[in-house]
Amino acid sequence: QKEVEQNSGPLSVPEGAIASLNCTYSDRGSQSFFWYRQYSGKSPELIMFIYSNGDKEDGRFTAQLNKASQYVSLLIRDSQPSDSATYLCAVRAGTASKLTFGTGTRLQVTL
Amino acid sequence: GAVVSQHPSWVICKSGTSVKIECRSLDFQATTMFWYRQFPKQSLMLMATSNEGSKATYEQGVEKDKFLINHASLTLSTLTVTSAHPEDSSFYICSADSQETQYFGPGTRLLVL
Repeated sequence: QKEVEQNSGPLSVPEGAIASLNCTYSDRGSQSFFWYRQYSGKSPELIMFIYSNGDKEDGRFTAQLNKASQYVSLLIRDSQPSDSATYLCAVRAGTASKLTFGTGTRLQVTL
Repeated sequence: GAVVSQHPSWVICKSGTSVKIECRSLDFQATTMFWYRQFPKQSLMLMATSNEGSKATYEQGVEKDKFLINHASLTLSTLTVTSAHPEDSSFYICSADSQETQYFGPGTRLLVL
């Protein structure tokens, strides 16, 4: 069964610190990888997507992909209380195919 | 990022009635859209994949006759919950595929009394 695994948390980090969120996936055929943020009671919001091995940076966010290890991570620098949310990792096998989601990691950024 | 809208944002209905939810991609065309359901404190659950001009593909355990999906254009998919019951009360969310990724709508909260 194709799976995406995340630690449910909560992951607690102090304001200004780096938050590191991790995700592993089982399907080696996965081609694209996504991070979504979901605030309580809201729908998921796309943060980043990554296709190639290595790092991809966008502002305070860096996605890291290692296909050999079947591992994708999200780093959030200078964490803010407004970053407190559930972060969903998702993978898919190809364009227009469905996403397979992890159960999400709850991040708490403390003052 | 691309914008996906949903209407209505919330709806309250009596048991036995049908409710239609619209999902629109506002600034791009989406051949494929997806419908999800999320119960409180639970994960997103994919209900079906909606393809423009063809029948939807439903996930295992989702009743296609109860959750009717129509994807009549490249910017609009609709989900109709037929003969709704209290157990159908949930947060219904659509997403639209833009080739690179999927963008989610804001969701529709359904309460069936």
